Amino acid sequence: DGGITQSPKYLFRKEGQNVTLSCEQNLNHDAMYWYRQDPGQGLRLIYYSQIVNDFQKGDIAEGYSVSREKKESFPLTVTSAQKNPTAFYLCASRPDTGFEQPQHFGDGTRLSIL
Amino acid sequence: AQSVTQLDSHVSVSEGTPVLLRCNYSSSYSPSLFWYVQHPNKGLQLLLKYTSAATLVKGINGFEAEFKKSETSFHLTKPSAHMSDAAEYFCVVTNPQAAGNKLTFGGGTRVLVKP
Repeated sequence: DGGITQSPKYLFRKEGQNVTLSCEQNLNHDAMYWYRQDPGQGLRLIYYSQIVNDFQKGDIAEGYSVSREKKESFPLTVTSAQKNPTAFYLCASRPDTGFEQPQHFGDGTRLSIL
Repeated sequence: AQSVTQLDSHVSVSEGTPVLLRCNYSSSYSPSLFWYVQHPNKGLQLLLKYTSAATLVKGINGFEAEFKKSETSFHLTKPSAHMSDAAEYFCVVTNPQAAGNKLTFGGGTRVLVKP
């Protein structure tokens, strides 16, 4: 079955440590997105990529970095510069065939501080 | 510019009774609108989408929504709630001018279903 796989499901970060969240899709989608979700809030966009080797900052990119070396993969690194990283992180993808195409979501990674 | 307001942060219904989740939007261009559902510790699942083909949109699991341009609303309904409908629901808007087809999310409505 096609879908989006996020790993790990739970992740713990120590002070001063960078951690990387994995996102892989086998839907052959062009565009991929990373969101952050805090309790009781909607989703906020961190980064997005519409094509391999290109990505743009979203609304809250500070303290995060991404890469898009393959169409299927869009890893997110939470750097030590992100002072409040505890949140639920969601990856999404969509075909780039029109603005009305919905995004498809993975099951998320929950990041906590040790 | 675009924005979404979900008018209720929490809704409580009894099993078997109707569900109404209210959503108002604003968009500088003709929008596409979506409703997603999120169960605890899960990703978002698409319930339905409006893309100008029809104002009454039917989705999965018995949900439907009506697009009302004059009221800038896109309310979600279900005639009879089931226990499995307990979750958080998000109303989402985008438009053809949004960079990267960026979505704007409402704050969410948490639905509690009482037996």
